[in-house]
Amino acid sequence: GDSVTQMEGPVTLSEEAFLTINCTYTATGYPSLFWYVQYPGEGLQLLLKATKADDKGSNKGFEATYRKETTSFHLEKGSVQVSDSAVYFCALSEKGGGNKLTFGTGTQLKVEL
Amino acid sequence: EADIYQTPRYLVIGTGKKITLECSQTMGHDKMYWYQQDPGMELHLIHYSYGVNSTEKGDLSSESTVSRIRTEHFPLTLESARPSHTSQYLCASRDGHTNTGELFFGEGSRLTVL
Repeated sequence: GDSVTQMEGPVTLSEEAFLTINCTYTATGYPSLFWYVQYPGEGLQLLLKATKADDKGSNKGFEATYRKETTSFHLEKGSVQVSDSAVYFCALSEKGGGNKLTFGTGTQLKVEL
Repeated sequence: EADIYQTPRYLVIGTGKKITLECSQTMGHDKMYWYQQDPGMELHLIHYSYGVNSTEKGDLSSESTVSRIRTEHFPLTLESARPSHTSQYLCASRDGHTNTGELFFGEGSRLTVL
């Protein structure tokens, strides 16, 4: 079945550091890929997405590229801020309106001054 | 901004009580979901619905039940709460007519059973 594996946290960085959160997936077809973010005390929000190979999703300075050859969708940001402290979830959805999202286990990011 | 709402945001109750967590969305989405989020952050799908009068159990077995009498409303009920039900419950919806699979989440209901 489908699965998503992402790096364990917590990840602790200083402000303005470079961020990478690794995500790899297993799927039978060609899924859509997502990064969701959960700020403390809130639900999940879509951060970015990519629907086909080589697509790059970007939002709020975050980027991720859909790499079919390595089945990866790593999240990157060039300069993190304290306000980026949150939990980040990688997810996939097989094509077709009836399918559910499969989530990774989440990676907590803590950014310190 | 997503238009999906959950109430209550926080609930503390005693063992044996019946509780209902409310979830409503104003986007006309046909598909709705309930996730349970444990303290380790992992999300577990416990119920989903593909439309009115459609409900299915998710990947994680749950003693809760759901109903879908109206498109916009997807409440979750626990007939007799126990401490093991203490968790955060997240409701989500999506437009089943698109292929991208994007989910919109509510802010969650944090349940504590004493």
